Amino acid sequence: GEDVEQSLFLSVREGDSSVINCTYTDSSSTYLYWYKQEPGAGLQLLTYIFSNMDMKQDQRLTVLLNKKDKHLSLRIADTQTGDSAIYFCLSNTGNQFYFGTGTSLTVIP
Amino acid sequence: NAGVTQTPKFQVLKTGQSMTLQCAQDMNHEYMSWYRQDPGMGLRLIHYSVGAGITDQGEVPNGYNVSRSTTEDFPLRLLSAAPSQTSVYFCASTGTGGVYGYTFGSGTRLTVV
Repeated sequence: GEDVEQSLFLSVREGDSSVINCTYTDSSSTYLYWYKQEPGAGLQLLTYIFSNMDMKQDQRLTVLLNKKDKHLSLRIADTQTGDSAIYFCLSNTGNQFYFGTGTSLTVIP
Repeated sequence: NAGVTQTPKFQVLKTGQSMTLQCAQDMNHEYMSWYRQDPGMGLRLIHYSVGAGITDQGEVPNGYNVSRSTTEDFPLRLLSAAPSQTSVYFCASTGTGGVYGYTFGSGTRLTVV
């Protein structure tokens, strides 16, 4: 199966930008997603990008996809304390879904 | 629109007991799956189904059974609970091709003592 990797922890100061990175191995990934999990809660879809796109922006969120390097990133502008959560990258190839291990984002007031 | 509904939210079992975690979705999604989430290990796929009557094993299927008699329901059965099955369990579903990603249930926190 595919390997999807993320760094485990990230700390940023409130108001700064956060960048969460994800690398994957399957070049045939068709869709890539970012999910947010707040403590004690389920996973919430934040945004997604099709493999034929390089960038997608949605309010404070910017997703960048580098297909050559198989690298996906999520940038959160003006990070707030409510953004503290675990962020998961998810790769989809047909009916197969592969999760990254999750990045725990801590926002320091 | 209820989305994906999981019950119960919390459960404590004794070692050796059996139980069924329920999952239902009302979005007519073909694809349903069960994950377990353990600290530091992300989400691991237990079983999945691509449609009614079709199920397959994921990464960690041992100790669990599933069935898919209808499009809406995908129950997960623990045959003989073990402490190693203490975890948070998530059910998720998606439509054909997974275009819009998974919709997740709110999870079941299971403790086996």
